[in-house]
Amino acid sequence: ILNVEQSPQSLHVQEGDSTNFTCSFPSSNFYALHWYRWETAKSPEALFVMTLNGDEKKKGRISATLNTKEGYSYLYIKGSQPEDSATYLCAFTSGTYKYIFGTGTRLKVLA
Amino acid sequence: NAGVTQTPKFQVLKTGQSMTLQCAQDMNHEYMSWYRQDPGMGLRLIHYSVGAGITDQGEVPNGYNVSRSTTEDFPLRLLSAAPSQTSVYFCASHLGTGYPGELFFGEGSRLTVL
Repeated sequence: ILNVEQSPQSLHVQEGDSTNFTCSFPSSNFYALHWYRWETAKSPEALFVMTLNGDEKKKGRISATLNTKEGYSYLYIKGSQPEDSATYLCAFTSGTYKYIFGTGTRLKVLA
Repeated sequence: NAGVTQTPKFQVLKTGQSMTLQCAQDMNHEYMSWYRQDPGMGLRLIHYSVGAGITDQGEVPNGYNVSRSTTEDFPLRLLSAAPSQTSVYFCASHLGTGYPGELFFGEGSRLTVL
């Protein structure tokens, strides 16, 4: 059974702090790694889709890196804001049919 | 933009009852899927479809049936509900095979089986 692990499970940071989370996934048969942002009472929304080793993606204050050889991806948030509070999910796929999700990192940004 | 629409949003069933969760998308996506979300666990794939008439099992298919008669619709059927099927269900779609693009999710359906 393929496993995707995310750490930490949850964290609280102060407004303005920078933070990062980790997603670990199988290093074999890699096709793509997704990051999603999931706000309470809403549905997950895609942040990044990463396909190449060494990929770096950026959207505003949020960025992500990918290492497919060692099986990990980092998500960084620079200067956290209260509106960044959400659960951040990663999902691994070895093809386009089946996605395996991690349990998420729950971020709370304190004003 | 409707995107992915799920109904109902909430449902309470008694053990043994049957019901269908509806999912429709208006983006002409080939790929549609159903996930369940349980506390402390990641989203788990129940069934998926890569086009009309084509379905396959995911990680946790037992107790659920699906069919795909049109590109737009992908209903999930519970034939005899069990308390273990109490969960939040999400329908998700993407453009199709050969494309690693993001999943688009519905708003979720919270099901309680008594």
